[in-house]
Amino acid sequence: ETGVTQSPTHLIKTRGQQVTLRCSSQSGHNTVSWYQQALGQGPQFIFQYYREEENGRGNFPPRFSGLQFPNYSSELNVNALELDDSALYLCASSSGGKGPSPPGYTFGSGTRLTVV
Amino acid sequence: AQSVTQLGSHVSVSEGALVLLRCNYSSSVPPYLFWYVQYPNQGLQLLLKYTSAATLVKGINGFEAEFKKSETSFHLTKPSAHMSDAAEYFCAVTLPFGNEKLTFGTGTRLTIIP
Repeated sequence: ETGVTQSPTHLIKTRGQQVTLRCSSQSGHNTVSWYQQALGQGPQFIFQYYREEENGRGNFPPRFSGLQFPNYSSELNVNALELDDSALYLCASSSGGKGPSPPGYTFGSGTRLTVV
Repeated sequence: AQSVTQLGSHVSVSEGALVLLRCNYSSSVPPYLFWYVQYPNQGLQLLLKYTSAATLVKGINGFEAEFKKSETSFHLTKPSAHMSDAAEYFCAVTLPFGNEKLTFGTGTRLTIIP
């Protein structure tokens, strides 16, 4: 059973650029959530995808967008990068989605994004 | 909306001593609660979770936590600290229904003194 894999592990971008982060969910999981963890903070929920549809969104602007593919892998796209977007971006997969199933989240190791 | 508060951003204990990391939650309905550990430059690893079964939950690496509804608490404990326990610990909450969004606390950095 493979876990959650994220790529790239590190990335440096210039303010105003666009970035795409990728996540492969754990085998058997149909739900992917993305979190932003700023330095010294707890992770903040960005959004979740369930069966290729957005299934909830946190307090992030529209320049944060995502996709989920038929194999349940996912992308996080951030446009018009700002210095405050520098953070660790974590992907988590689960087999829940909608309904009261006991959650089992598996987190990836994250992508460290630095905006200069 | 649900939230968690972790009391103490930094906790130091001696090797072999009791570890106690505090977490209080706020939720309009009985929540699910989690403790995660994060080592430097790594993702989050689940230590344990409470999902409305037994109130005393045992996790990995000798950690356990007790759900106390009357105190709205879910404190993490370990009887004897080991050097390898040094890490950042996060308490998180989610609701049993909906999209399972996790709301995290701000974290507690645990330092082990040799």
